[in-house]
Amino acid sequence: KAGVTQTPRYLIKTRGQQVTLSCSPISGHRSVSWYQQTPGQGLQFLFEYFSETQRNKGNFPGRFSGRQFSNSRSEMNVSTLELGDSALYLCASSPEGQRNSPLHFGNGTRLTVT
Amino acid sequence: QQPVQSPQAVILREGEDAVINCSSSKALYSVHWYRQKHGEAPVFLMILLKGGEQKGHEKISASFNEKKQQSSLYLTASQLSYSGTYFCGTAGSGSARQLTFGSGTQLTVLP
Repeated sequence: KAGVTQTPRYLIKTRGQQVTLSCSPISGHRSVSWYQQTPGQGLQFLFEYFSETQRNKGNFPGRFSGRQFSNSRSEMNVSTLELGDSALYLCASSPEGQRNSPLHFGNGTRLTVT
Repeated sequence: QQPVQSPQAVILREGEDAVINCSSSKALYSVHWYRQKHGEAPVFLMILLKGGEQKGHEKISASFNEKKQQSSLYLTASQLSYSGTYFCGTAGSGSARQLTFGSGTQLTVLP
């Protein structure tokens, strides 16, 4: 089975721009979660989508948004980028959801905001 | 609230054992353990569910004390490949279903 695929692997953007990151989950997985990873804050939960519906949301500003398509693929959008948004963004899929099934992480998208 | 992991870092020689602890202040439904090597994605190791069910790899063992909201990961006869950062993730018993991760334990196994 193919793993979780995230594109692109690296992105460099300028403050004020917006960015869209993509995640293709493992076939058959209906839950997709997004995490931001930084050296100072660790792994912070952004949101989880299950069957095209946002099921959970972390404590991030409204500039961070996401969606999930009928084929379970998910996108994350960050508008009006700030320097502090520089991070590794990880997507994880699971069959049922975060609480009771393992998360399978993608290799992430490394976003640098200048 | 973020679970607390201890120790923050540990250095071992091959063949030695290690224990990594994870403690939460809230009632837990499940505890997950992941290992991340530098520049790679976190990899699932173990999940412990309220009620005693466990899912994970054969060579990894862990415990979950539901009364104390604590979990421990046991690494026995460590190998060089065990090096990495270990994260615990906890999910509460309430309506919120997201995993909250600890700050990680950096494990280094030396030859």
